[in-house]
Amino acid sequence: DGGITQSPKYLFRKEGQNVTLSCEQNLNHDAMYWYRQDPGQGLRLIYYSQIVNDFQKGDIAEGYSVSREKKESFPLTVTSAQKNPTAFYLCASSIRSGNWIQYFGAGTRLSVL
Amino acid sequence: AQKVTQAQTEISVVEKEDVTLDCVYETRDTTYYLFWYKQPPSGELVFLIRRNSFDEQNEISGRYSWNFQKSTSSFNFTITASQVVDSAVYFCALSELGEYGNKLVFGAGTILRVKS
Repeated sequence: DGGITQSPKYLFRKEGQNVTLSCEQNLNHDAMYWYRQDPGQGLRLIYYSQIVNDFQKGDIAEGYSVSREKKESFPLTVTSAQKNPTAFYLCASSIRSGNWIQYFGAGTRLSVL
Repeated sequence: AQKVTQAQTEISVVEKEDVTLDCVYETRDTTYYLFWYKQPPSGELVFLIRRNSFDEQNEISGRYSWNFQKSTSSFNFTITASQVVDSAVYFCALSELGEYGNKLVFGAGTILRVKS
């Protein structure tokens, strides 16, 4: 089945620890996105990538980092610099141009211990 | 900058009632796209519809219908004869063509609770 796989579903972070959220897609999409969702605030863009080895900061990139070494993969690292990481993180992908439709994974819920 | 406003934070209805979710947007682009997504309790956003700014024709898909009015910058979503399975968070989104590619700007979402 084609789709976007995010793992893990739940993740816990200790103080001062970096954690990495995985996002893999087999839709052959060029563009990939990371969003953060907090209650009552909708989705906010963290980072996005239109092609391999290139990515851009979104609206709330501070405390996060990404890489795009393969078309299928766009992992997000939540660093210790992110002081309020507790949130629901969603990964999405789309074709690079054309219909603009983004398809989403099931999300990762990150909590701080 | 693009902006999407969903003024209704939460709506509760009884099954079989009709319900309309409001979406108002701001953009300076002459060509843009509007979207609705559904987020059920499982968390994954599900794409419902995309509307091109040049196409103001209303659309109906089963119990769902969408009313796009460019004059009032609104793209409202109506569910007819609501069902419990319609309970979810619904997001309206607007396209933004940035220097580095396409992005979507999302509203804050409307929580819909349908009671049996």
